[in-house]
Order: sequence, then C-alpha cells, then structure tokens
Amino acid sequence: DFQMTQSPSSLSASVGDRVTITCRASPGISNFLAWYQQKPGKGPKLLIYGASTLQSGVPSRFSGSGSGTDFTLTISSLQPEDVATYYCLKYNSVPPGTFGQGTKVEIK
Amino acid sequence: EVQLVESGGGLVQPGGSLRLSCAASGFTVSNNYMSWVRQAPGQGLDWVSVIYSGGSTFYADSVKGRFTISRDNSKNTVYLQMNSLGGEDTAVYYCARVLMTTVLGGYFDSWGQGTLVTVSS
Repeated sequence: DFQMTQSPSSLSASVGDRVTITCRASPGISNFLAWYQQKPGKGPKLLIYGASTLQSGVPSRFSGSGSGTDFTLTISSLQPEDVATYYCLKYNSVPPGTFGQGTKVEIK
Repeated sequence: EVQLVESGGGLVQPGGSLRLSCAASGFTVSNNYMSWVRQAPGQGLDWVSVIYSGGSTFYADSVKGRFTISRDNSKNTVYLQMNSLGGEDTAVYYCARVLMTTVLGGYFDSWGQGTLVTVSS
C-alpha cells in the first residue's frame, strides 16, 4: 500500500525564521511531488512541482528538495503572509491525487 | 489568465442530488485533464474524480457509482453530478486543472475558489 506521511501537522515560528516541512513517500516516487499553499477560505495554490521547481510568481524564499522517498519544503525567512496550511501531493500515477495530511503554519 | 469558477453548491438532504459546475476561462477544458478535489470541514484535500482530454473518467472509491464527471465543450465547463449524497460528502468542492508532465502523471496547477456542499436534514 502507498503511504504519504507529512510532518509536522502544525508549527509555530517567528517572522524571519527558517521553516521546514517534510513529506515521506513509500514506496519512492522519483521527483513526482508538488507542494501547495492554502490560505483560509481559498483554494490551494501551487508553489513547487517536480520536487524542486518553483512555480512562476512564487517568492524565492520558498524552495523544495528531495527525491525518491524524502522531500522537504523550506521557507527561508517566514513572513506574515505565509500563514497557511501546506500540502504535498504525489503525482506519479494517473489519475493523480494522494495528498499529505497538511501542515498548519502559524506566527509565534 | 487561467480561471476556474465553481458554482452549484448548497444545502441538500441526505439521499439527494446536486450538480456542480466549473466554468473555465483562459484555456480549453477539452484539451486538458480536469479534476474535482474536495475538502471536508477542517480536514485535508481528497481527490474525487478526473476527466481526461480523451473523455475517459475515473473516480475515488468513496464516490464511485454515485458521482459522474462530465464536460460541455461548447460552454468550456466541467460538471460533477452527485447522487445519493450522505453526510460524508459534506465538503468544499474544488475544480482543478491537471498539468500532465509525462504519461505517468500530472499535478494540479490551477484551482478554483471552491463551492460548499452541505448534506444535512
């Protein structure tokens, strides 16, 4: 059975902090991983695809890394507008659609 | 600019039906894979259904046999017909475009704002 484990489920950090969110896939999925940001009352917004490619228009403080089973979303310097819930998505299948459980990011 | 606008949500009684619409602009739905994803209150994202550019359709096990995805090319609109609704179907329903990267799969690159479906007596 395929498993997608995202952690932590929530975090609180100060403005300017470096924030890291992790997704683990079992079995491995090469680089077929995307990251989304969802703000309250809004639809998800694509941040990163191919594990590390930044979607056009997304601030450069967001970055993604990893391949195979372990993936990371990093916010290099947390800003107030980054308060949101973040989801990973594995898409090495057709149809697509296994999301991580989500990570709620708040400002301390 | 790519835009997706969902409509059709509302309050429906258990066992009832509802049809959601997703009007697209900035691209042609018939040339793309289009999907519905839902989010129960306070919960994460769950894929519901997809329609391929060739017309093939697929469903999550939880909705198979009850939901039907379709499209009207002349209106550039995707639909989700939902029948035999139960409380577990209460959610915000999002329409999303699937950007295929290889034959192995694709990710959701554009999303609508969502429409709320509440199943309750």
